[in-house]
Amino acid sequence: DAGVIQSPRHEVTEMGQEVTLRCKPISGHDYLFWYRQTMMRGLELLIYFNNNVPIDDSGMPEDRFSAKMPNASFSTLKIQPSEPRDSAVYFCASSSTDSSFYEQYFGPGTRLTVT
Amino acid sequence: AQSVAQPEDQVNVAEGNPLTVKCTYSVSGNPYLFWYVQYPNRGLQFLLKYITGDNLVKGSYGFEAEFNKSQTSFHLKKPSALVSDSALYFCAVRDMTGRRALTFGSGTRLQVQP
Repeated sequence: DAGVIQSPRHEVTEMGQEVTLRCKPISGHDYLFWYRQTMMRGLELLIYFNNNVPIDDSGMPEDRFSAKMPNASFSTLKIQPSEPRDSAVYFCASSSTDSSFYEQYFGPGTRLTVT
Repeated sequence: AQSVAQPEDQVNVAEGNPLTVKCTYSVSGNPYLFWYVQYPNRGLQFLLKYITGDNLVKGSYGFEAEFNKSQTSFHLKKPSALVSDSALYFCAVRDMTGRRALTFGSGTRLQVQP
């Protein structure tokens, strides 16, 4: 299995631009999570989906952030407009109801820099 | 709400010596506890978990963790550290509010010196 796939691995953009991060979960996994990692705040859960439906988006920082999961094999996290404080590493993770309890598998992350 | 605390930002140990990375938790009910490792420029990798049963849990790469209910701790251990163990280690606990999510600690950087 290829594991969780994220693209791009690195993104540099200017303030005000739209940014789209992409994730392909492990085949057969029915849970998908988006996390953000910064030095100041550590690892934060932004949103998670179950069977393509958003279950909890309480971690999404503000309306500039949106996430979608149009099918079981693809999810996007969009920031519009981006700001320098959005600079972070964004991780996608997936999990299966059938797997060991709550165990999550992480992608390699997207390092976002907003100048 | 549940929480985990990793009291040490960094742990330094010489290669070949035993290592311990500390984690304490706060939950109501029975905890599900996890350790993850993050190597530079990589995502988090699952190491081991405690759900129930034996208090000593064995995981990947020779790591083990000891669950101590009275001390509400779940410390990560390895009998003999390798330089390649140098990484960022995260303790996590199952969300107890019904969400299928994990709450992560702040992370501990392990440096193993040759």
